[in-house]
Amino acid sequence: NAGVTQTPKFQVLKTGQSMTLQCAQDMNHNSMYWYRQDPGMGLRLIYYSASEGTTDKGEVPNGYNVSRLNKREFSLRLESAAPSQTSVYFCASSEDWGSDTQYFGPGTRLTVL
Amino acid sequence: KQEVTQIPAALSVPEGENLVLNCSFTDSAIYNLQWFRQDPGKGLTSLLLIQSSQREQTSGRLNASLDKSSGRSTLYIAASQPGDSATYLCAVLATPSNDYKLSFGAGTTVTVRA
Repeated sequence: NAGVTQTPKFQVLKTGQSMTLQCAQDMNHNSMYWYRQDPGMGLRLIYYSASEGTTDKGEVPNGYNVSRLNKREFSLRLESAAPSQTSVYFCASSEDWGSDTQYFGPGTRLTVL
Repeated sequence: KQEVTQIPAALSVPEGENLVLNCSFTDSAIYNLQWFRQDPGKGLTSLLLIQSSQREQTSGRLNASLDKSSGRSTLYIAASQPGDSATYLCAVLATPSNDYKLSFGAGTTVTVRA
């Protein structure tokens, strides 16, 4: 099992460009999450999907959109990237909403110039 | 709003010394508390999870304690090794009435010197 996979691993964008970060899990989990991690701060929740077909805003959703494509895949889209979105993005999944443990992907390092 | 604080932000110890990492949280109404390890450029790996009704959890050289009433958890790593060098994050899971939100501390970066 690969667990949680994310693509790409690294990305550099110019201000105003758009891109989609991809995430997939092979653990048959119902819930998936997107976080961002900035220096000196803990991970902050951007959006989550408690189950297939549902998505909800987290703590810092502005500037992002998500799509739960199917049970396995949960994508994060930046429509018009800004330098403030330079960060490391982590996708995670858990068996159910409120499950004890979330499993994390390796992250995507995004730089917006 | 739950605030999770980890002090110190960085720690350097010689090999063999015991490590003590601290985590504090402001809202004691938690579902569980979890310690993660993060290696440079990598994702998070769960180390220990303590349910709100538990006082501690142990796994090998790792022991985590939880004092919910005072809003504190401590991660002990015995007989540290260079391979323990990493960033350690604690996270608290809120109760169902708070939508199970997971709140993270900023982490403690540990360097174990050979």
